[in-house]
Amino acid sequence: GAVVSQHPSWVICKSGTSVKIECRSLDFQATTMFWYRQFPKQSLMLMATSNEGSKATYEQGVEKDKFLINHASLTLSTLTVTSAHPEDSSFYICSARVGPLAVSNEQFFGPGTRLTVL
Amino acid sequence: EDKVVQSPLSLVVHEGDTVTLNCSYEVTNFRSLLWYKQEKKAPTFLFMLTSSGIEKKSGRLSSILDKKELFSILNITATQTGDSAIYLCAVDNAGNMLTFGGGTRLMVKP
Repeated sequence: GAVVSQHPSWVICKSGTSVKIECRSLDFQATTMFWYRQFPKQSLMLMATSNEGSKATYEQGVEKDKFLINHASLTLSTLTVTSAHPEDSSFYICSARVGPLAVSNEQFFGPGTRLTVL
Repeated sequence: EDKVVQSPLSLVVHEGDTVTLNCSYEVTNFRSLLWYKQEKKAPTFLFMLTSSGIEKKSGRLSSILDKKELFSILNITATQTGDSAIYLCAVDNAGNMLTFGGGTRLMVKP
């Protein structure tokens, strides 16, 4: 099946610093990637939809200036948490959609990145 | 606003029991319903359901969708400790986004 990787898998940083998380589709081209956030004992919440070559679409309540998303190529999307604070500590998961939208709507998930802000 | 509700929130059973997990939804422009299993990391895909009444099976797991009543169930028979996980239901709308339910935390005791 399609493989999605994330890097890093785990990061600890100081409050006020910025953290970049990469999401790569390894064996397919992903025109659309999604970023989710998951707090402990909660479900996944969609943060934004990232389309290659265009600006990301953010969900209500997600600050686009704080969570910068760049989808520069068909295999790479990055999420940068700017000026991270302890409340940003969470599990960040990306997913990528395989194939033309008319053929397949399955999303494949990366392994996630656990961010801890001290 | 799209909504996906799962029940129960949490379930504890013993090995060998059969469990049924529920997922109801209210979504505009429904496209498909998906079930995922989440252990320590990101969710892993179980089933995608698009048509009512057609059961999908994979080993001891099966799932069915009712588009008239807007719900789906996930059955696990002869449960094993390795089935312990959070089971997530998500609905894909025509906007190509997934809306997740809150999940059901299943614990299978030996």
